[in-house]
Amino acid sequence: GQNIDQPTEMTATEGAIVQINCTYQTSGFNGLFWYQQHAGEAPTFLSYNVLDGLEEKGRFSSFLSRSKGYSYLLLKELQMKDSASYLCAVRVNSGTYKYIFGTGTRLKVLA
Amino acid sequence: KAGVTQTPRYLIKTRGQQVTLSCSPISGHRSVSWYQQTPGQGLQFLFEYFSETQRNKGNFPGRFSGRQFSNSRSEMNVSTLELGDSALYLCASSSSGGAGETQYFGPGTRLLVL
Repeated sequence: GQNIDQPTEMTATEGAIVQINCTYQTSGFNGLFWYQQHAGEAPTFLSYNVLDGLEEKGRFSSFLSRSKGYSYLLLKELQMKDSASYLCAVRVNSGTYKYIFGTGTRLKVLA
Repeated sequence: KAGVTQTPRYLIKTRGQQVTLSCSPISGHRSVSWYQQTPGQGLQFLFEYFSETQRNKGNFPGRFSGRQFSNSRSEMNVSTLELGDSALYLCASSSSGGAGETQYFGPGTRLLVL
């Protein structure tokens, strides 16, 4: 079956660095996405990895290891506004493309 | 460009009723996907439409259906509502749903079934 695991909740302090892990078991892997979702709002796209390695975008970086079925999202210089849920999603190709989402990691940033 | 829009934003229904939700994709986007989001299950894929055809389907009962119009707007319908259908329903659009593309989400419709 297709499965994605990520921690349910994490807490970090303003200004710190936090790493949110995501492991997946899927067939037909075609890319891994990270989305941010504030309470009551739509998920917004953060990053996309399809090849192994690190993608950096300002304070956010995402890493992928396809052989290990593993990704992480790294958030640096945490701000209060980073308190949100972070969703890991894998796109799979089974003839057409479909997205499988993890249940999300709720991050609380404390002052 | 305007983002993905969904109407209505909030809805309260009772068991046994039916409901229709609407999604307008980003202009030029032809792929529209629907998801159900609940606290325990996360985002669950319902179906995807492209060029007025259902191209992909998740594991939901036949009470959940959808359609897409020639202008790429999409609707989903849930018949014979159950309490467990209470959720946030999100739609997402992309250009063609192909490799290398990103989905963009609408704000969602929050459905409460009493």
